[in-house]
Amino acid sequence: DAGVTQSPTHLIKTRGQQVTLRCSPKSGHDTVSWYQQALGQGPQFIFQYYEEEERQRGNFPDRFSGHQFPNYSSELNVNALLLGDSALYLCASGRGQPYGYTFGSGTRLTVV
Amino acid sequence: SQQGEEDPQALSIQEGENATMNCSYKTSINNLQWYRQNSGRGLVHLILIRSNEREKHSGRLRVTLDTSKKSSSLLITASRAADTASYFCATRRGFQKLVFGTGTRLLVSP
Repeated sequence: DAGVTQSPTHLIKTRGQQVTLRCSPKSGHDTVSWYQQALGQGPQFIFQYYEEEERQRGNFPDRFSGHQFPNYSSELNVNALLLGDSALYLCASGRGQPYGYTFGSGTRLTVV
Repeated sequence: SQQGEEDPQALSIQEGENATMNCSYKTSINNLQWYRQNSGRGLVHLILIRSNEREKHSGRLRVTLDTSKKSSSLLITASRAADTASYFCATRRGFQKLVFGTGTRLLVSP
């Protein structure tokens, strides 16, 4: 049974560019959350999707947007990249409950 | 912003020793969770303790919760080199948002 799959694993982008990160949730899970983890810090909640709608959002600007598809997979889009957007982006999936979330291995984004 | 902080920020011990890390949080909670992260990759859920529980065990893990002090501790007994990782506590805010602490980096030397 596959867990949470994220792609790509690593990505290098230039300031001002746009990026799309992808997440496939664990089988049987219907909610997807995205987190940003800067080096040496704990993960910070970006937003969560359930039934193809954004249900909760953290303190991130509108440059961060997302989408959830009918098959529960999700995308995170970041526009107008800044150097400070360099981080590990983690996707977590769950089913109706916050605990027992399954996290993916993350996408390491470097903005140069 | 982070919900709270783990203490210590870094911990270095020998195999066989016990490792204790602490977590403080700021708001009332329904439960508190501990996660482990190897080498900056994905997080693995270790254990959840509910607000009406004071202590919980899982294998070599022992978690305590003191809601009056808004603090929790994670004890790893008989540490192994494979326990080397970062450990985070997390609390739930709102619908399903997890708020993580700053983490403790544990190094277990053979």
